[in-house]
Amino acid sequence: QLVLTQSPSASASLGASVRLTCTLSSGHSTYAIAWHQQQPEKGPRYLMKLNSDGSHSKGDGIPDRFSGSSSGAERYLTISSLQSEDEADYYCQTWDTGIRVFGGGTKLTVL
Amino acid sequence: EVQLVESGGGLVKPGGSQRLSCAASGFTFSSYSMSWVRQAPGKGLEWLSSISSSSSYIYYADSVKGRFTISRDNAKNSLYLQMNSLGAEDTAVYYCARDNTTMGYYFDYWGQGTLVTVSS
Repeated sequence: QLVLTQSPSASASLGASVRLTCTLSSGHSTYAIAWHQQQPEKGPRYLMKLNSDGSHSKGDGIPDRFSGSSSGAERYLTISSLQSEDEADYYCQTWDTGIRVFGGGTKLTVL
Repeated sequence: EVQLVESGGGLVKPGGSQRLSCAASGFTFSSYSMSWVRQAPGKGLEWLSSISSSSSYIYYADSVKGRFTISRDNAKNSLYLQMNSLGAEDTAVYYCARDNTTMGYYFDYWGQGTLVTVSS
């Protein structure tokens, strides 16, 4: 079964960097994912598509501070030079024939 | 500029029905698959249904299969979700999203959402 696992919460200081992790279930380590950001009281926003080789394509207007990387079944979203508006929920999402799957989301707190 | 605007949310009684709409603009609607995603209060995102550009392929999550029906009208640049037999567990903000099917199936644009509350 295709499942994405995310830590429920993360925190980092203003101006620092943080790396969020999304783990693909066993047997699905080659799958690509997408990262989405949801700021408080807003709809989600597409950040990037991230492939298993670490290559990624970002959405319109996504700052260079957001980057993606991969290792095995893990997909990472790194945010550098953290700003207050980066405080949000971050969801990874993948797909298989006929289905789309979301991770449970990580709530990022900027200290 | 790509815009997706949902409408049709509101208060509905248990067992009732509701039809959501999503008006699309800023892109060639008829060339894209579209999807519905919901978010219950305080919870994460849940994919519900997707429809291909010409309506040839339609998929549903098990949680809504048999109760919800997705459809589209390419002439009106609109996406719809007919929801029947609603229960309290269907209370959520419902989002429409554009599917990017370039080497995958991921959502590259989202609407602002419409709230459906199921309560007596």
